[in-house]
Amino acid sequence: KQEVTQIPAALSVPEGENLVLNCSFTDSAIYNLQWFRQDPGKGLTSLLLIQSSQREQTSGRLNASLDKSSGRSTLYIAASQPGDSATYLCAVNGKTSYDKVIFGPGTSLSVIP
Amino acid sequence: EAQVTQNPRYLITVTGKKLTVTCSQNMNHEYMSWYRQDPGLGLRQIYYSMNVEVTDKGDVPEGYKVSRKEKRNFPLILESPSPNQTSLYFCASSFLPNQPQHFGDGTRLSIL
Repeated sequence: KQEVTQIPAALSVPEGENLVLNCSFTDSAIYNLQWFRQDPGKGLTSLLLIQSSQREQTSGRLNASLDKSSGRSTLYIAASQPGDSATYLCAVNGKTSYDKVIFGPGTSLSVIP
Repeated sequence: EAQVTQNPRYLITVTGKKLTVTCSQNMNHEYMSWYRQDPGLGLRQIYYSMNVEVTDKGDVPEGYKVSRKEKRNFPLILESPSPNQTSLYFCASSFLPNQPQHFGDGTRLSIL
C-alpha cells in the first residue's frame, strides 16, 4: 500500500532564505506527483505537477524535482517571503490515471519577516 | 471565474439524518474527487469519478455514496451519518487525473 511522508513536519525560516521541503513515497510506480499549498481555513492550491516521466518542474521561485527510483520529491523555494507561509502537501497518483490519490501529511512553513 | 463550488460550507447535524454535500465545477472537467481532512491523518480520498456515470472508491469510502449524473456535479451523500464522519471535506476537479486539480473551499461537517 502506498504511503507518503513529508519531512520536516514544520519549518520556520527568516525571510529571504532558500529552503527545501521533502516528500517520500514507498511505491515508485506512480503516475504523477503534485505539490499543493494550503492556507488556514482554505482549500488547496496546486503549485506544480510532475509526470512520472519528468525529473522536474519550475514555476517562478518554485522548483520541484522527482526521483522515482528512490521514491523522493523535493520542493525548492527560492528567496522565501512571508506570503509563502502555509502548509505544503505532496500527493501521488497511483500506477495509472485511474488510481487513487494519496496525500502526505504536509509541512507547515512559517517565513519570519 | 473558474471554480469548484461546495455547499454547504458549514453544517452541524445529528447522527442518522441523511445529508448531501453538493459539488459543482464550471470548467468542463472530466475528473472529480472527494477528500476528507482530519488532524493527524491528513487528506484522504473518499471517491473519485473519471466521467459521467463512472465512479470508483478511494481510500476511505465506507459510509459514503456518490453519483455523477452530469459532468459538472458530483454530490457526496451520507445516508446515515455518524460522529466519526465529522471532518473537513474537499471536492476537487481536473480535466484529467494527470493534470492539476482545482479544489473547492471545503465543507466543515459536525455530526453530533
